[in-house]
Amino acid sequence: KQEVTQIPAALSVPEGENLVLNCSFTDSAIYNLQWFRQDPGKGLTSLLLIQSSQREQTSGRLNASLDKSSGRSTLYIAASQPGDSATYLCAVPGGYNKLIFGAGTRLAVHP
Amino acid sequence: DAGVTQSPTHLIKTRGQQVTLRCSPKSGHDTVSWYQQALGQGPQFIFQYYEEEERQRGNFPDRFSGHQYPNYSSELNVNALLLGDSALYLCASSVGTQPQHFGDGTRLSIL
Repeated sequence: KQEVTQIPAALSVPEGENLVLNCSFTDSAIYNLQWFRQDPGKGLTSLLLIQSSQREQTSGRLNASLDKSSGRSTLYIAASQPGDSATYLCAVPGGYNKLIFGAGTRLAVHP
Repeated sequence: DAGVTQSPTHLIKTRGQQVTLRCSPKSGHDTVSWYQQALGQGPQFIFQYYEEEERQRGNFPDRFSGHQYPNYSSELNVNALLLGDSALYLCASSVGTQPQHFGDGTRLSIL
């Protein structure tokens, strides 16, 4: 049974810091991994999707890596800003277009 | 082009009542998935509808049921509400193996 774990559960940092959020999964037989952002009380916004054939995916200040063999993915946020404050969730496929999520990392970036 | 829309935004019910949540998928999408997100947790897959049939189901009791209409819109019904059903209910739509797009959710509170 696939399980997804995210560390840390919460993070509070001053503006400008470079951040690393971690995601681990128990079954390495995945074909992609997705990172989402969730603002309080809102739905999910897809940030990055990494195919199993890729090792990295970048969008602006965000960079996500995937290591299937070790069952790990990291989301790197460069030069964090207060507007980055949100919950970040990673998800892997658990069946035909069904997603299995971690519990998320709650990020607070203060000025 | 409207994305995934859900109604209502918020709902308050009492234990034992029944509730219906609605979802309109993004234009061009034919598959609708429903997720339950308890406070501080990641979304949990409830079920998925395609061609008006339930295609996949997560580990949720029969009190949770759904429907998909010919225009691809969908409903989630929950009977005999329990306090533990309080959560954010997210709808996601997709087509084929393309990534899912999420709505902003319905916040259900059970008193």
